Amino acid sequence: GEDVEQSLFLSVREGDSSVINCTYTDSSSTYLYWYKQEPGAGLQLLTYIFSNMDMKQDQRLTVLLNKKDKHLSLRIADTQTGDSAIYFCVPLPGSSNTGKLIFGQGTTLQVKP
Amino acid sequence: NAGVTQTPKFQVLKTGQSMTLQCAQDMNHEYMSWYRQDPGMGLRLIHYSVGAGITDQGEVPNGYNVSRSTTEDFPLRLLSAAPSQTSVYFCASSYPLGGYTFGSGTRLTVV
Repeated sequence: GEDVEQSLFLSVREGDSSVINCTYTDSSSTYLYWYKQEPGAGLQLLTYIFSNMDMKQDQRLTVLLNKKDKHLSLRIADTQTGDSAIYFCVPLPGSSNTGKLIFGQGTTLQVKP
Repeated sequence: NAGVTQTPKFQVLKTGQSMTLQCAQDMNHEYMSWYRQDPGMGLRLIHYSVGAGITDQGEVPNGYNVSRSTTEDFPLRLLSAAPSQTSVYFCASSYPLGGYTFGSGTRLTVV
């Protein structure tokens, strides 16, 4: 099945850029999502990229996809304290529409003022 | 729109008790799933459904039952609660190929 690996923790200073990296195993993934979970809250869809794209920009967020290496990254420009959260990289399985999203452990982003 | 509604938000059970966690969505989503989140473990898939009348097991199904009699509802039943089931439970729904919408979670403690 799908396997996702992310570094567990990232600490940055307010105003700096943050880069969260992810590697996955399913080369047939069609959509790749980034979810954000703030402390004590549920998960919210932050952004996503289609597998036929290399890059997607959405305001302060930039998603880069290297499909050959199965590597996905999320860059947050001008990181704010409100960006402190856990970030999950979630590839949609490409084998069939099973509704079976598999999550990794996520990356905890700590933003220091 | 309410989105995905989970009830209750908090629950304390004694070992051996049974209960049902409720999940309802008003977006006419075909897919629904239940996850549990434990510290250091990310989210693990318990059961999922691709439509009314269709359910399947995820990564950690033991001790849980589900049913999907309507598109809107996807309850999760704990048959005989154990301390190992202490966790935060999330329900989610989506269209095929769509990003999931999550509920706000149920924090369950089994003593």
